[in-house]
Amino acid sequence: QSALTQPRSVSGSPGQSVTISCTGTSSDVGGYNYVSWYQQHPGKAPKLMIYDVSKRPSGVPDRFSGSKSGNTASLTISGLQAEDEADYYCCSYAGSYTFFGGGTKLTVL
Amino acid sequence: EVQLVESGGGLVKPGGSLRLSCAASGFTFSSYSMNWVRQAPGKGLEWVSSISSSSSYIYYADSVKGRFTISRDNAKNSLYLQMNSLRAEDTAVYYCARTSRALDYWGQGTLVTVSS
Repeated sequence: QSALTQPRSVSGSPGQSVTISCTGTSSDVGGYNYVSWYQQHPGKAPKLMIYDVSKRPSGVPDRFSGSKSGNTASLTISGLQAEDEADYYCCSYAGSYTFFGGGTKLTVL
Repeated sequence: EVQLVESGGGLVKPGGSLRLSCAASGFTFSSYSMNWVRQAPGKGLEWVSSISSSSSYIYYADSVKGRFTISRDNAKNSLYLQMNSLRAEDTAVYYCARTSRALDYWGQGTLVTVSS
């Protein structure tokens, strides 16, 4: 059992786009279309941003998009805004287990 | 409005026990699988356990298997986590979260501190 691999940090200027990767294995990310992404601001509970690889829950801006290729999933945030600065976690269903990535801190410069 | 409210956290000595509760409202609790997810101070999220809507399927992370027990009472709209043989590394904020395609609603969490 091991966490999914994410970059520890990414950054971008307002209006730019950033992409956060999430690498797993064929037993989790690559084996199921059940990748989700969560945003967490300091001291707050996580918030679901993307589910089933690329679907957005109601209320999540379309600036947030998800994709997957092989064992790697990605979250892209376009038109960066100051309020997007937060920690982002990927998550994958893997049969009897659920795995989270180690988290990526997004800094909006 | 969906609400999940955790309770039962606190300070406990290594080897001790604690029972967490999660009170659900605003949705048909008995129709959804539920989860416990924890976050150690300054660290990332770690899935702990899941339970299906009728308690037929229960899963645990290897780190808690044999020590923690998840359960639910659909009549009381409540989710539980019985934690035994607690270790320092179990210190974390524990969140309950609903499953609907993903973990779509989360509570605010309850802090468990394991220390002598």
